[in-house]
Amino acid sequence: DGGITQSPKYLFRKEGQNVTLSCEQNLNHDAMYWYRQDPGQGLRLIYYSQIVNDFQKGDIAEGYSVSREKKESFPLTVTSAQKNPTAFYLCASSIFGDRNTEAFFGQGTRLTVV
Amino acid sequence: GESVGLHLPTLSVQEGDNSIINCAYSNSASDYFIWYKQESGKGPQFIIDIRSNMDKRQGQRVTVLLNKTVKHLSLQIAATQPGDSAVYFCAETLGGNTGKLIFGQGTTLQVKP
Repeated sequence: DGGITQSPKYLFRKEGQNVTLSCEQNLNHDAMYWYRQDPGQGLRLIYYSQIVNDFQKGDIAEGYSVSREKKESFPLTVTSAQKNPTAFYLCASSIFGDRNTEAFFGQGTRLTVV
Repeated sequence: GESVGLHLPTLSVQEGDNSIINCAYSNSASDYFIWYKQESGKGPQFIIDIRSNMDKRQGQRVTVLLNKTVKHLSLQIAATQPGDSAVYFCAETLGGNTGKLIFGQGTTLQVKP
């Protein structure tokens, strides 16, 4: 089935460590996004990529890094520079063209700093 | 910067009643709007969308209304069911090729049996 897959579902990180969240899609979508969601709040854009080997910072990119070496994959690294990384992370993808379409979301990764 | 907000954080309705969830947006240049439903611990699911050249769009049991004059968006759910209980987000995006969505804070819909 076509879809977008995030792994792992739950992730624990010690302070000072980097950790990478996986996002894979088989929808043949050009654009991919990472959002952060804190309790009781909406989604905030971290990074997005419209084509392979290119990505742009969103509203809260500090302390995060991404890569887009393949169309299907858009991993997010939460670095030790991110002071408050505990959150629910959502990856999304969409068709990229001259007409906007909806973004399809994965099921999320809940990251907890211990 | 741009923001999308929702008028009420929680809406409680009786099963079988109609629900109306409201959303205000601030960027008059936004030309595409989406409503998402998010159940606890899951990613948002697409419900319905509308482009700025329309003022109403209907789906199965859902209707989205867009009032560009006052920059207001609403989601109407007919005959609300317990399975409709979730957090509902509106999102907007600008024209062109950005594809970036700006989300509101969300409204929690509680359906009482």
